[in-house]
Amino acid sequence: KAGVTQTPRYLIKTRGQQVTLSCSPISGHRSVSWYQQTPGQGLQFLFEYFSETQRNKGNFPGRFSGRQFSNSRSEMNVSTLELGDSALYLCASSFGTENNEQFFGPGTRLTVL
Amino acid sequence: GIQVEQSPPDLILQEGANSTLRCNFSDSVNNLQWFHQNPWGQLINLFYIPSGTKQNGRLSATTVATERYSLLYISSSQTTDSGVYFCAAMKYGNKLVFGAGTILRVKS
Repeated sequence: KAGVTQTPRYLIKTRGQQVTLSCSPISGHRSVSWYQQTPGQGLQFLFEYFSETQRNKGNFPGRFSGRQFSNSRSEMNVSTLELGDSALYLCASSFGTENNEQFFGPGTRLTVL
Repeated sequence: GIQVEQSPPDLILQEGANSTLRCNFSDSVNNLQWFHQNPWGQLINLFYIPSGTKQNGRLSATTVATERYSLLYISSSQTTDSGVYFCAAMKYGNKLVFGAGTILRVKS
């Protein structure tokens, strides 16, 4: 069965621009979560979507947003990019009932210049 | 919220040696996972182990939920085991809290 896929794999943007990242979960999984990984802060939870609704949210500014479609695919958007947004963005999928095992995609590496 | 601490932060081994990585968590958890991050950044699932012991080849893991720790054992280490190992815990919801990781280097 196919794993979690993320597109694009690499992205270079300049400050002030916005970016949209995409994540397709494992077939049958209804929950998609997003994480940011930076050398300074490690891996941090951004938000989780389940059945097209944001169910959990981490401590990130409102410039970070997301959505989920009826086929469980999810997108996250970052507006008004800052240099500090340069990071590896990982998405994880699971069945969505509480405390399920999470499976991660390959990530999108975003560089903000 | 829950806090996750991993030790040691760095570990250098000779090929063939055994190692134990530790993960402490500050509260009761309903999910505990171990991951290996490959050189391209993907987190590879090693174990889903909220409690008990599991084994997969040369790797095994034990979680003692009542004492709030988990251990990852790597036996007969190989150079391909090198990389960063993360422990992550989930108390409720689908939010994993990650430790800072253990960087493992296996020398041939």
